[in-house]
Amino acid sequence: GAVVSQHPSWVICKSGTSVKIECRSLDFQATTMFWYRQFPKQSLMLMATSNEGSKATYEQGVEKDKFLINHASLTLSTLTVTSAHPEDSSFYICSARDPGRGADTQYFGPGTRLTVL
Amino acid sequence: GQSLEQPSEVTAVEGAIVQINCTYQTSGFYGLSWYQQHDGGAPTFLSYNALDGLEETGRFSSFLSRSDSYGYLLLQELQMKDSASYFCAVNPQGGKLIFGQGTELSVKP
Repeated sequence: GAVVSQHPSWVICKSGTSVKIECRSLDFQATTMFWYRQFPKQSLMLMATSNEGSKATYEQGVEKDKFLINHASLTLSTLTVTSAHPEDSSFYICSARDPGRGADTQYFGPGTRLTVL
Repeated sequence: GQSLEQPSEVTAVEGAIVQINCTYQTSGFYGLSWYQQHDGGAPTFLSYNALDGLEETGRFSSFLSRSDSYGYLLLQELQMKDSASYFCAVNPQGGKLIFGQGTELSVKP
């Protein structure tokens, strides 16, 4: 099946630093990727839609200046959490659509667990 | 607004059949998906319904009624490894997914 990777799988950082998370589609080209955040025992919350070659579309309530998204190629999207604070600690998961497999099937990366001290 | 309702938790025994219901209210609708997530892991795709009716994939089946804004996931011959959280998700537009709060399934011996 389609494979999506994320790096790093976990990261611990100090408050005020920035953290970059990479999301790659390994065996297909993804013009659209999605970024989600999930707190313990809660659902996945869509943060933004990452579009290759254009600006990301952010969901209501998500600060675009704090969560910078860059979709520089058809296989790579990055999420940068700028000036991270403890409340940003969460599980960040990306997903990608494989157009060749049907528009409504998303493949998720393994997630990145961010802990901000 | 957009909302999806599903039970928070369900418990069943090995070998049994379990149905997890999902009702939704969204501004647009292209289909209902189901995902499984084990503790600490990422969601994995189980099934998708765009049209009314039943879709069967091995031990898992999913049903959709668009007129009732309702769907369910049916898990048969439950196994211990099926213990996980199950999420229904709606695609309201543009391929993005809006997830329900998740149902934690516990399978007992």
